[in-house]
Amino acid sequence: KAGVTQTPRYLIKTRGQQVTLSCSPISGHRSVSWYQQTPGQGLQFLFEYFSETQRNKGNFPGRFSGRQFSNSRSEMNVSTLELGDSALYLCASSLSTGGTTEAFFGQGTRLTVV
Amino acid sequence: GIQVEQSPPDLILQEGANSTLRCNFSDSVNNLQWFHQNPWGQLINLFYIPSGTKQNGRLSATTVATERYSLLYISSSQTTDSGVYFCAVGFTGGFKTIFGAGTRLFVKA
Repeated sequence: KAGVTQTPRYLIKTRGQQVTLSCSPISGHRSVSWYQQTPGQGLQFLFEYFSETQRNKGNFPGRFSGRQFSNSRSEMNVSTLELGDSALYLCASSLSTGGTTEAFFGQGTRLTVV
Repeated sequence: GIQVEQSPPDLILQEGANSTLRCNFSDSVNNLQWFHQNPWGQLINLFYIPSGTKQNGRLSATTVATERYSLLYISSSQTTDSGVYFCAVGFTGGFKTIFGAGTRLFVKA
């Protein structure tokens, strides 16, 4: 079966712009979680969506937001980009919510803010 | 607070050597996974192992939930094993998965 698909794979944006990343989970999975990975901070949890509802949120500013559609596909948006937002953004797909079931990751979107 | 600690942070091996990576966690868990991050950034699932022992080829893992640790064993290491190994934990009642800082492994030919 198809894995987790993230688009785009690479992005270059300018400070102050906004960006939208997309994640399509494994068929049948209703939970999508988003993570930011930077060399200095490691893998940090952004938020999780399950059945179109945000279930949990990490310690990130309000510039980071997300949503989930009825087909379980999820998007995350970062507004007013800062240089420090440059990172690898990973999404994870799982059957159930709250970190209780096995998670599968996409290939990530590498965002560079210049 | 809730913590996931991995050791060692860095490991250099000669091809063919064996190694043990450790993950300590601070509270009871309902989910524990080991991942290998490849050079392109993708996290590859190795084991889903909230308790017990599993083996997959040259890799095996053991989680002792009552003592709050998990071990990942790599035998007869190969250069393709190089990369970063992460332990990720879902704590009971925690509602999210927390990653350790990872162990960076380099296998020399």
